Amino acid sequence: GAVVSQHPSWVICKSGTSVKIECRSLDFQATTMFWYRQFPKQSLMLMATSNEGSKATYEQGVEKDKFLINHASLTLSTLTVTSAHPEDSSFYICSAWDRAGGPTDTQYFGPGTRLTVL
Amino acid sequence: QQQVKQSPQSLIVQKGGISIINCAYENTAFDYFPWYQQFPGKGPALLIAIRPDVSEKKEGRFTISFNKSAKQFSLHIMDSQPGDSATYFCAASISGGYNKLIFGAGTRLAVHP
Repeated sequence: GAVVSQHPSWVICKSGTSVKIECRSLDFQATTMFWYRQFPKQSLMLMATSNEGSKATYEQGVEKDKFLINHASLTLSTLTVTSAHPEDSSFYICSAWDRAGGPTDTQYFGPGTRLTVL
Repeated sequence: QQQVKQSPQSLIVQKGGISIINCAYENTAFDYFPWYQQFPGKGPALLIAIRPDVSEKKEGRFTISFNKSAKQFSLHIMDSQPGDSATYFCAASISGGYNKLIFGAGTRLAVHP
C-alpha cells in the first residue's frame, strides 16, 4: 500500500514554543491531506483538511492561528503548533488519499507524532 | 447524520475465537467503509474496506459484512490471535473528491491466549 511518513515521530518542547510536524506522501501525490489529533484511548479527531496550494479548511472548534497548516507541494504538508501549551500534548496523525480520490481509492495514515509540551 | 456508531467499546476474546465489531451509520450518501487497526503509539493501518455494491468482503481472517438497508457493517476476525489485540476503528466516507473519513469511537480488542 501507499506510504505516508511523518517527522518527527516524537517531540518534547517547552510551553510557549512552536513545533512543526511534517507529513509526506512517499510514493504518490496528495492534493489533499488531513490532520488528526488523538488523545489516549480516544478516537481520531479531524482537525483540518490541508489543500495543496490553497488555505486549509479547519474543523469547527480548531484554532486556525494556533494550528498552522501549509501544503506547499503535492507530497508535503506541515502542521505547526504555535505557542504550544501542555493541553496541546497529544498524538498528531496525518493522512492522504492515494490516487484521485475516486471510488477505488484509499486513505492511508502516517505513523503519528507524539507531542509533549512541558 | 454524520456520525458512525461503533460497538462494543471493548472486547475480550479467547485465542481461536471470533471477534465481531459492529458499526452503524446514518448518512445514506456514504459509500466507502474502511476498517483500521491501530496499535499503541502507531498510526491507524488500513485493514479492509468495502463499498455498498457488495454485501461481504473477505481478506484472510478478516471479513466485512455490509447491510445497506440496515445501514450497518461489521468486522469479523476469525481464529483471533493475541497479535490481533489492538484498537479497531470503523469509518465511512463519500467517494469522489477528497472527502474526509468519519470515524467510529473505536473498539479495544484483547485476545487472550
